[in-house]
Amino acid sequence: GQNIDQPTEMTATEGAIVQINCTYQTSGFNGLFWYQQHAGEAPTFLSYNVLDGLEEKGRFSSFLSRSKGYSYLLLKELQMKDSASYLCAVSRGYQKVTFGTGTKLQVIP
Amino acid sequence: GAVVSQHPSRVICKSGTSVKIECRSLDFQATTMFWYRQFPKQSLMLMATSNEGSKATYEQGVEKDKFLINHASLTLSTLTVTSAHPEDSSFYICSARDVLPDNSNYGYTFGSGTRLTVV
Repeated sequence: GQNIDQPTEMTATEGAIVQINCTYQTSGFNGLFWYQQHAGEAPTFLSYNVLDGLEEKGRFSSFLSRSKGYSYLLLKELQMKDSASYLCAVSRGYQKVTFGTGTKLQVIP
Repeated sequence: GAVVSQHPSRVICKSGTSVKIECRSLDFQATTMFWYRQFPKQSLMLMATSNEGSKATYEQGVEKDKFLINHASLTLSTLTVTSAHPEDSSFYICSARDVLPDNSNYGYTFGSGTRLTVV
């Protein structure tokens, strides 16, 4: 079996920094995705980590520790439009991608 | 970039009828497509993996006779919800795996989703 856990909801202030954590237990781990999803829309790709470490892409950064089964998504200089759900997803075995529970982020003024 | 077209975007059907949802990769070949279901305020749940020219692999708890998946070509997969009931109302999303993935999304492109309402 597998577990992919994230906090259900988070609230942060516009302009601030927020870190969304994801822990996973799975076999055949290949890599970890982060997606952003607005209500009623398809997920939008943010990042994919295969190796340990931090990858930065503009205001968004993603970190992975394979030994700890842990990842986080870091959002800097938060904007109101960043209010959305953030999904971590594990790629394992032969291509299969399985999603975590998702974190609903609310950015407040 | 890679585009996946999913139709219809919204459908309302009567209980007991069947609904077909199409997922097409427009500018790339997809040997593998994935079908997800998402209930309100929940994350995506993988239903099945379809491979071109072979039977789909269903996740545990998903009824293969109720959710028929056909992947007849490298660019088209369909999901048919048979004998739909109100509890099947959900957001269905497909994802296509590019045969030649690049770094833009590492080969997984999502369709825009289908909102199914069974009345």
